[in-house]
Amino acid sequence: AQSVTQLDSQVPVFEEAPVELRCNYSSSVSVYLFWYVQYPNQGLQLLLKYLSGSTLVESINGFEAEFNKSQTSFHLRKPSVHISDTAEYFCAVSGGYSSASKIIFGSGTRLSIRP
Amino acid sequence: DAGVTQSPTHLIKTRGQQVTLRCSPKSGHDTVSWYQQALGQGPQFIFQYYEEEERQRGNFPDRFSGHQFPNYSSELNVNALLLGDSALYLCASSLISGANVLTFGAGSRLTVL
Repeated sequence: AQSVTQLDSQVPVFEEAPVELRCNYSSSVSVYLFWYVQYPNQGLQLLLKYLSGSTLVESINGFEAEFNKSQTSFHLRKPSVHISDTAEYFCAVSGGYSSASKIIFGSGTRLSIRP
Repeated sequence: DAGVTQSPTHLIKTRGQQVTLRCSPKSGHDTVSWYQQALGQGPQFIFQYYEEEERQRGNFPDRFSGHQFPNYSSELNVNALLLGDSALYLCASSLISGANVLTFGAGSRLTVL
């Protein structure tokens, strides 16, 4: 079985400051990792994913995450945040590559950006 | 290209009633998953449908049931509603043969009074 722990329920940061949202997982099988973002009153959107290959994955809007197998972590980072990054971020894990495997989500981290 | 559409967007029910939520998957997708997101929580997996059958199920009671139609659309039914069923219900679609990436709808917000 897989599980995800997001260590911070809320992270307040100033605009243009760096941010790290922490995520740890547990899995007894191969692991595939995701970050989803939920803007207010919207559904979830895929931000980035680790399925195979390079352990450092990037999104189109400047976020990156690194798969660290030894520390069972998949922390999300951005060197400089913007007001538009205000949202809830969910780390997720799956035990399978294909859609036949369910995706399990963490409890979320609310990122609030102060001007 | 329409994404995942869900209806209704909001609804209010009373305890003991039954509710049906509907989902149309993204064009080209054949698999539908349903999630329950309580206020301030992450989405909890309810079940997944593929080829009109329930393929996987999370830790939800039998009051939660579903259906998938030949056109891949899906329904989520909840019987004997409880106050604790109040939540945002999210539908997500994917392609069973593709990488495990979900496309979510905006959700149906259910309030049970």
